[in-house]
Amino acid sequence: LAKTTQPISMDSYEGQEVNITCSHNNIATNDYITWYQQFPSQGPRFIIQGYKTKVTNEVASLFIPADRKSSTLSLPRVSLSDTAVYYCLVAVSGGYQKVTFGTGTKLQVIP
Amino acid sequence: DSGVTQTPKHLITATGQRVTLRCSPRSGDLSVYWYQQSLDQGLQFLIQYYNGEERAKGNILERFSAQQFPDLHSELNLSSLELGDSALYFCASSVAVGGVHEQFFGPGTRLTVL
Repeated sequence: LAKTTQPISMDSYEGQEVNITCSHNNIATNDYITWYQQFPSQGPRFIIQGYKTKVTNEVASLFIPADRKSSTLSLPRVSLSDTAVYYCLVAVSGGYQKVTFGTGTKLQVIP
Repeated sequence: DSGVTQTPKHLITATGQRVTLRCSPRSGDLSVYWYQQSLDQGLQFLIQYYNGEERAKGNILERFSAQQFPDLHSELNLSSLELGDSALYFCASSVAVGGVHEQFFGPGTRLTVL
């Protein structure tokens, strides 16, 4: 399984763009990169997933360079409600996999 | 609301006891995952079932066991409970359609072992 490394915590002011980078040096050819968000005492929630280049949805963008050894989750114009833990996962897409969550990045949005 | 339900929401028990946590996946999802999250810790993957069969195993203790029934609901059994088993236990389900794999998490069961 590919191991991921991401910052333990980050602070940001409201309205700013936040970029959280995840390193996954030993990512395999079939691995996808997925990000989840978790609020205290709640289950994680899927944010975005990608394989290469850039993926954008209504809440975030995911940038993946050509070597795929890292990825960056970009949250535009964060608000206080974006304060949460963000997990970067690397796993093979499909029904049969062992997904490993690390300790994530605790994002604190400051008013 | 993710569509995944877990019961009970809270469980308080004593050391040495046995408990059963229940999970109902989203309609149509065949995969069920169990995770443990201790205080201020990341989620630890325990086990995965797909359509009734065990598919992947993580750091699940021998005192813990799980199964997925024909109606696809799943149960996690924890026995000989210890203080350190106190944690949030999450269940997630997925259908894994095509190249997108998204897990939908339930609200969790908070287990307190006294």
